[in-house]
Formats: sequence, structure tokens, C-alpha cells
Amino acid sequence: DSGVTQTPKHLITATGQRVTLRCSPRSGDLSVYWYQQSLDQGLQFLIQYYNGEERAKGNILERFSAQQFPDLHSELNLSSLELGDSALYFCASSVAGGGIYEQYFGPGTRLTVT
Amino acid sequence: AQKITQTQPGMFVQEKEAVTLDCTYDTSDPSYGLFWYKQPSSGEMIFLIYQGSYDQQNATEGRYSLNFQKARKSANLVISASQLGDSAMYFCAMREGQGGKLIFGQGTELSVKP
Repeated sequence: DSGVTQTPKHLITATGQRVTLRCSPRSGDLSVYWYQQSLDQGLQFLIQYYNGEERAKGNILERFSAQQFPDLHSELNLSSLELGDSALYFCASSVAGGGIYEQYFGPGTRLTVT
Repeated sequence: AQKITQTQPGMFVQEKEAVTLDCTYDTSDPSYGLFWYKQPSSGEMIFLIYQGSYDQQNATEGRYSLNFQKARKSANLVISASQLGDSAMYFCAMREGQGGKLIFGQGTELSVKP
């Protein structure tokens, strides 16, 4: 158990819908990262928050948005869902915003868009 | 250009033998970190080992060691005394500079035979 929690574990929804994925980092970790794992794209970085502020952005679609709240939990919002958004979405956390610190991953949320 | 390359889509190893999983990387930043993660069939991402670009010695964590050859830009994972529970996907990842985001390779699927 990495100490990072993600809910829900599984999510099945229809095209055009909107969903929210939730992540709670390990106790003491200030940074939260979101990654998407799909068969065709592999593991891709989406976005990073550090202590409530957006720190880095990757290949995140405009239909996706995220935020980190004062209690440091984070939410990833996916809207106007398409079949291609079906993937495993991981949240990871680390103590700092970068540097040598490891990132610990949550169990992931498996999103299926039908 | 691929920043992280794992050239072995699949590998087989006999139980109790050692196995090396290859990883090469490409960066012009003198400061970077290299990570290995294990992803069992259950889907979670488990942190295994970290090597910093300025570390003088190869990293080791129990049965895992990282064969870091800076001039060749390779960071191979060595698993000694393979166990059946080592069967999983293994991902090599890189962090550039002081940023936090990880760039992942395509992974190597390791199967340990009894």
C-alpha cells in the first residue's frame, strides 16, 4: 500500500458525459501528479500540482481539468468524454515538487467510456 | 524522439535466476533521475528503485539493482534470484532537471517460469 488513495476504482460512463476522479496523497506529500495509461499511448503525464498551485502541464486535453484543494487532495475532471478517453488514470504524490524524491502511485481509476 | 526506450517487449526467466531489463534514455539536461516501477496484473504501480544522474554508485534495493552507465545513457534493472511474484510489467522512467513529471518507457513484460 503506497498510502495514495484514489476513488472510484472503476468507472463506466457514456460518451459525452463528465466524471470526477479523486486522489488523496500520502500524508505529508505536497505534490500530486496525474497520469493516463492507455494501450496506444502508454503512460503519459497529464498535470502536476504542488501545494495547491499548478506546477507543470503535460499532454492534457482541454476537456480535462484538475485542481488541488487546501487539504491537498486533488480532483481530475474529464468532460465531453469520448471512447478514446477509456484508460487507467493514476494519481501519484511526492514530498516535493521535483528533485530526487520518488513518486508513489495510487491504485488507479479504470475509466471505461461506452 | 523517444526519451526512454525499453527494447524488450517481453522477457522470460527461470525462477531463482537473475534477469536484466534494458532501458536507455535521452536527455541533454545534466541533472536527471531514473526510476523503475513494477506493474503487476492487478494494475498498481510499485516504485522499485531510483538513480540520480550525479550518484556515483549504482543504486540497490534488496534484490533490485540498477546498472547505471552514464556514458551509454543506459539504466538497466537487474533482478537477482527471480521469484514467481516478479512476473509483471516493468517500466523505466526519467525525470529531467528539477521538475517532477516522469517520462515513461513502453514497458517490458517479465514472466518468471517455475
